[in-house]
Amino acid sequence: KAGVTQTPRYLIKTRGQQVTLSCSPISGHRSVSWYQQTPGQGLQFLFEYFSETQRNKGNFPGRFSGRQFSNSRSEMNVSTLELGDSALYLCASSLALGVGYGYTFGSGTRLTVV
Amino acid sequence: DQQVKQNSPSLSVQEGRISILNCDYTNSMFDYFLWYKKYPAEGPTFLISISSIKDKNEDGRFTVFLNKSAKHLSLHIVPSQPGDSAVYFCAASAPQGAQKLVFGQGTRLTINP
Repeated sequence: KAGVTQTPRYLIKTRGQQVTLSCSPISGHRSVSWYQQTPGQGLQFLFEYFSETQRNKGNFPGRFSGRQFSNSRSEMNVSTLELGDSALYLCASSLALGVGYGYTFGSGTRLTVV
Repeated sequence: DQQVKQNSPSLSVQEGRISILNCDYTNSMFDYFLWYKKYPAEGPTFLISISSIKDKNEDGRFTVFLNKSAKHLSLHIVPSQPGDSAVYFCAASAPQGAQKLVFGQGTRLTINP
């Protein structure tokens, strides 16, 4: 079966712009989580969606937002981009809420802010 | 505040020997721990997990040990193979933390032939 698909794979944006990243989970998975990976910081949790509702949110400013659609696809948006937002953004899908169900990660979107 | 720490950014091991990756945590509420492996340009892939009710879990060449009193877990890979060269992340979750995983910074493992 198809894995988690993230688009685009690479993105270059200018400071002050906004960006939207997309994640299509594995078919049948209803939970989608987003993580930011930067060198030296590991993966940091952004937010998780289940059944179109945000269930949990990490410690990121309000410039970071997301949503989930009825088909479980998710988007995250970053407004007023800063240089420090340059990172690999990873999406993970899960059958349901609960770490016991396991998370499958996509390959990520590499965002570079210049 | 880094609740999950991997203090070794890198580790180099000879092929066939044992690789030991370490992880420390500070939050005593963590009750489930996982190890992920990540190759460049790919997302992390799940390797092995352990619940806090156990102190050891084994899956083929991979064994995870949990020492709750020391708030320490380790991943042993025996024997190490060149394909094991990757970045390894440990992660933890707490029942009150909803579903999020708290990750360490990662350790880059290099297996030398």
